[in-house]
Amino acid sequence: QKEVEQDPGPLSVPEGAIVSLNCTYSNSAFQYFMWYRQYSRKGPELLMYTYSSGNKEDGRFTAQVDKSSKYISLFIRDSQPSDSATYLCAMKAGFQKLVFGTGTRLLVSP
Amino acid sequence: DAGVTQSPTHLIKTRGQQVTLRCSPKSGHDTVSWYQQALGQGPQFIFQYYEEEERQRGNFPDRFSGHQYPNYSSELNVNALLLGDSALYLCASSLGTSFVYGYTFGSGTRLTVV
Repeated sequence: QKEVEQDPGPLSVPEGAIVSLNCTYSNSAFQYFMWYRQYSRKGPELLMYTYSSGNKEDGRFTAQVDKSSKYISLFIRDSQPSDSATYLCAMKAGFQKLVFGTGTRLLVSP
Repeated sequence: DAGVTQSPTHLIKTRGQQVTLRCSPKSGHDTVSWYQQALGQGPQFIFQYYEEEERQRGNFPDRFSGHQYPNYSSELNVNALLLGDSALYLCASSLGTSFVYGYTFGSGTRLTVV
């Protein structure tokens, strides 16, 4: 079993839709939770960062962490075609390495 | 403010050859981590360098080695290349080894082994 599980998609939505992306994890020591966006042939770009449980909002993006369920989510409101990319969740425990999910490919059609 | 710079962008190597990939961290960052991203997969941690020493290592064979220079730049060396080494190699920089506001990634080096 992988430490971090993420549905690879693709997830196809129309422009303006609310998108929900999710990851589950097994390591209860994870404290830092991140979402990265990766465009084709580019490196990952940090979107959201959360420490421990709770919600964090930044513009159209909201990150949620539920440590009791070992479940994290990223919501994108009013999705745009430019949001089409692969979204990677990533997690870290203290000094340990950053562990990524497989990534979910999102396609937003005009 | 320059971000993370990686070179070369692409390269093609033959099985059994050796390759060196290079990374310059973001200005102000002193820690470099290397990741391998196979097609359709998330990045996998190779190792991390801080103060010119390897601090952590992922589940990769000894064919993968690295170096960090006093100016914080880093190299990833892969010996005896296998077809399975074909991937996007990402360099990520950060300030220190424990602090996580998320790493800053470069655009990667796409290695093809034929």
